[in-house]
Amino acid sequence: KQEVTQIPAALSVPEGENLVLNCSFTDSAIYNLQWFRQDPGKGLTSLLLIQSSQREQTSGRLNASLDKSSGRSTLYIAASQPGDSATYLCAVALMDSSYKLIFGSGTRLLVRP
Amino acid sequence: DTGVSQDPRHKITKRGQNVTFRCDPISEHNRLYWYRQTLGQGPEFLTYFQNEAQLEKSRLLSDRFSAERPKGSFSTLEIQRTEQGDSAMYLCASSTLAGVYEQFFGPGTRLTVL
Repeated sequence: KQEVTQIPAALSVPEGENLVLNCSFTDSAIYNLQWFRQDPGKGLTSLLLIQSSQREQTSGRLNASLDKSSGRSTLYIAASQPGDSATYLCAVALMDSSYKLIFGSGTRLLVRP
Repeated sequence: DTGVSQDPRHKITKRGQNVTFRCDPISEHNRLYWYRQTLGQGPEFLTYFQNEAQLEKSRLLSDRFSAERPKGSFSTLEIQRTEQGDSAMYLCASSTLAGVYEQFFGPGTRLTVL
């Protein structure tokens, strides 16, 4: 059974810091991995998607890496801003015909001005 | 592309009542997924459709829950005889049948059962 774990559960940093969020999964048979952002009481906004054959993806100040063999992904946020404060969720798409997502519990990020 | 929409955004109901939620996926997206998210947790898969066919249901989807996608476009999720444990955010996502199968999520429906 696929399980996804995110560490840390919560993180508070001063504005301008570079930070790393971690995600690990137990079964390397994944189709892709997605990172999402969720603001309080809102839906999910897709940030980055890494296909299983890829090692990393970049979008602006965000960089996500994938090491499928070790079951790990990291989300790197450069020069953090207060507007980055949110919950960040990692999800893996199962390598079956459903491609349903299995989520971690998220990392709650607070960027202090 | 107007994105995935869900209605209502918030629903408060009394225990024992029936509720129905609607999801409108991105047009021409063949796949439609329902997830449930409780406070402090990540979303959990409930069910998914490919066009109008419901292909998988999670064991989380008790017999009080039913989902439909009658014409392969919008979908409804109905909960009968609601219980306090049904209080959660219900999220809908859609994707195409090709490419990277990226899922795009709607804003969710927040259900509170009193």
